[in-house]
Amino acid sequence: GDSVTQMEGPVTLSEEAFLTINCTYTATGYPSLFWYVQYPGEGLQLLLKATKADDKGSNKGFEATYRKETTSFHLEKGSVQVSDSAVYFCAPTHRAAGNKLTFGGGTRVLVKP
Amino acid sequence: DAGVTQSPTHLIKTRGQQVTLRCSPKSGHDTVSWYQQALGQGPQFIFQYYEEEERQRGNFPDRFSGHQFPNYSSELNVNALLLGDSALYLCASNPTGTGAYEQYFGPGTRLTVT
Repeated sequence: GDSVTQMEGPVTLSEEAFLTINCTYTATGYPSLFWYVQYPGEGLQLLLKATKADDKGSNKGFEATYRKETTSFHLEKGSVQVSDSAVYFCAPTHRAAGNKLTFGGGTRVLVKP
Repeated sequence: DAGVTQSPTHLIKTRGQQVTLRCSPKSGHDTVSWYQQALGQGPQFIFQYYEEEERQRGNFPDRFSGHQFPNYSSELNVNALLLGDSALYLCASNPTGTGAYEQYFGPGTRLTVT
């Protein structure tokens, strides 16, 4: 089955710092890739997605590029805000599997003023 | 347009009891998935329902069962509760089709087993 490896947190940053969260995956075939974000006390929200190799997903200043050759989907943001403090999850999915998501342990990000 | 809704928000049960959690999918969505998220961990897939049938299942015991109704809403039932069942239970929905549709998540139900 699919699996995900994310860098362990917590990642602590100052406001306006550059953020990178590494994600590598193991999956059969050609998965779609997602980043979800979970704010404290809430469910998961889709942050961005990419459906094929070399696609770049972007949203709210976050970006990630689907790198099939390295099976990676690293998340980046150029200038973080306190409001970006959350847990971030990388997840592959397959249309043929009903879009079931496989999550890793997530990466907690704490942005300090 | 209401998103995915779940009830109740919080629940406290005793070991050995049974619990039912409820989920209403986002309008236009016909597939519902359930996930269990233990504290500090990522969500784990429990099962998925489509057309009122369980379409696929994760590595969870038979104590976990579900149902989907004709209006696409769903229930998750857990029997003989264990302390280890304490977790946030997330419901997610998506439309069925040929696209790589993302799943939309509800706010979750926090279950505490004492």
